[in-house]
Amino acid sequence: NAGVTQTPKFRVLKTGQSMTLLCAQDMNHEYMYWYRQDPGMGLRLIHYSVGEGTTAKGEVPDGYNVSRLKKQNFLLGLESAAPSQTSVYFCASTTGPLPLNTEAFFGQGTRLTVV
Amino acid sequence: EDQVTQSPEALRLQEGESSSLNCSYTVSGLRGLFWYRQDPGKGPEFLFTLYSAGEEKEKERLKATLTKKESFLHITAPKPEDSATYLCAVQYNNNDMRFGAGTRLTVKP
Repeated sequence: NAGVTQTPKFRVLKTGQSMTLLCAQDMNHEYMYWYRQDPGMGLRLIHYSVGEGTTAKGEVPDGYNVSRLKKQNFLLGLESAAPSQTSVYFCASTTGPLPLNTEAFFGQGTRLTVV
Repeated sequence: EDQVTQSPEALRLQEGESSSLNCSYTVSGLRGLFWYRQDPGKGPEFLFTLYSAGEEKEKERLKATLTKKESFLHITAPKPEDSATYLCAVQYNNNDMRFGAGTRLTVKP
């Protein structure tokens, strides 16, 4: 009964390094999302996907790329990390488009620090 | 600009002391308003979805209500296990939920 699993849970990067965050869901959900959460600002949508092979930009997409090659996985990439990308990243998934009686299931988060 | 504002930022209650959390929004064309609970170090957990003004939903000690400009999360006779951050989110067009910054609730025994 895993739900939404994020890997890794913690990471420290140096400025300019790259990394990929992995989100995996086992609920056969069509829609997947990447958010970042910063103190005092709430969660902000980075990118989302409405199905395998599709991606779209959210509110704060700059500096990030995503891919959805398999329905169950949604990858978030940072090509050249910057200190401003220090944050907690959350992945979420839904069965279909919001808000149609659809709740979002969130992962446990990835705490990323860029030094 | 579309905004979601939650108040207060933090709330401390004694066990059994009922209160309300507020979520006000300025988005146009509201399609849904969501409440989530978030415990420290964890992802948000879904509580309610409200769709139209006048709608109410309840779950245990929690009751969510919605007007045209705001939503309230009423907590009746809270217990220490209700301590968490409560997040409000609004969907107004596509698949983007716009979140408020949250209210951090502490319930003392």
